[in-house]
Amino acid sequence: GAGVSQSPRYKVTKRGQDVALRCDPISGHVSLYWYRQALGQGPEFLTYFNYEAQQDKSGLPNDRFSAERPEGSISTLTIQRTEQRDSAMYRCASSETLAGGYEQYFGPGTRLTVT
Amino acid sequence: ILNVEQSPQSLHVQEGDSTNFTCSFPSSNFYALHWYRWETAKSPEALFVMTLNGDEKKKGRISATLNTKEGYSYLYIKGSQPEDSATYLCAPNTGNQFYFGTGTSLTVIP
Repeated sequence: GAGVSQSPRYKVTKRGQDVALRCDPISGHVSLYWYRQALGQGPEFLTYFNYEAQQDKSGLPNDRFSAERPEGSISTLTIQRTEQRDSAMYRCASSETLAGGYEQYFGPGTRLTVT
Repeated sequence: ILNVEQSPQSLHVQEGDSTNFTCSFPSSNFYALHWYRWETAKSPEALFVMTLNGDEKKKGRISATLNTKEGYSYLYIKGSQPEDSATYLCAPNTGNQFYFGTGTSLTVIP
């Protein structure tokens, strides 16, 4: 079946603009996670959802970052008033159950560049 | 924030050599330990999920062990092949959040 998809794959935006990054998880997967990954580093947790409920957003860097998953499927990560330091690869992952003991499947990521 | 350390940071081995690397993490609030294989320009690919102290998992030439009491996991690759070249990430999970290490970059020289 189809894996996790993300769009756009690449986004270049000017400082101060808002961006919305989309994640389409594997069908039926309950949990959805957002990560940010700097070059050469492991993924850094941002937030996660079980169904449509945002369970933990402690990893969001500041209040310019927000995420939603209104129908428990597709999720959008929004960055308002982008800054150059927001440039990174943004990855989402999904897993089939609520428990952290189940595998996550990662999407291809969105490479965000803020100029 | 969970302090996850992986060592070594990078490793070069000859084809056919066996190798291993370490993931260290705080043993408190532990729920599960995930290992991922990550090739450049691709997404991390799940290798193992382990939850119990003493767990051992194996997939082909790759295996992993878990010690939750002392807070470490080992990943072993037997008879390394060039296609094993990748970064290996570990991620302990506290029940909701995943905390990724920076990975061990493995290069297998033909």
